[in-house]
Amino acid sequence: GENVEQHPSTLSVQEGDSAVIKCTYSDSASNYFPWYKQELGKRPQLIIDIRSNVGEKKDQRIAVTLNKTAKHFSLHITETQPEDSAVYFCAASSKYGGATNKLIFGTGTLLAVQP
Amino acid sequence: EAQVTQNPRYLITVTGKKLTVTCSQNMNHEYMSWYRQDPGLGLRQIYYSMNVEVTDKGDVPEGYKVSRKEKRNFPLILESPSPNQTSLYFCASSLSTGNYEQYFGPGTRLTVT
Repeated sequence: GENVEQHPSTLSVQEGDSAVIKCTYSDSASNYFPWYKQELGKRPQLIIDIRSNVGEKKDQRIAVTLNKTAKHFSLHITETQPEDSAVYFCAASSKYGGATNKLIFGTGTLLAVQP
Repeated sequence: EAQVTQNPRYLITVTGKKLTVTCSQNMNHEYMSWYRQDPGLGLRQIYYSMNVEVTDKGDVPEGYKVSRKEKRNFPLILESPSPNQTSLYFCASSLSTGNYEQYFGPGTRLTVT
């Protein structure tokens, strides 16, 4: 079935440094790739997403890149701040095994930004 | 305020005692789904619903039931809970299918002893 792998599982950076989280997917028909942020004890919330017709998307300090040929996409956070500390999930849409698109999530990356 | 609500937020129960976790959204979304979150496994989809009376299995449906009699509500039913269903459960809704932003509820922490 469809699989999304996410690395690293934990990431520690100094405040002001950049952080990069990478994901690979297996379904070549996937066309929607969101990233969710989950703060401790809170619900996941969408921070950025990208569709397969573009290669890169930016929103202030956050950017996502997509390489459809290699079937991988990455989240880039620049000038990290302590409030960026959270678990980040990537996801890819897939119709595998069903009639409609559903999201397959990666296993998450715990990002710790050290002041 | 646009939101997804779940109840209860916390539940401790015993093996075999039927329970229902409610989920409601006020955004007129067609697509609703249930996920469970376990350490190291991320978010795994249990069931989803495309619209009223239309439901389908996700990746981990065993031991769960759902129904969608009204557009706004999507309850999750555990007919005979077992300890391996101890988990954090999230309901989510979106405009249409998994190709749109998922709005998550606050989560339900379930412990089955």
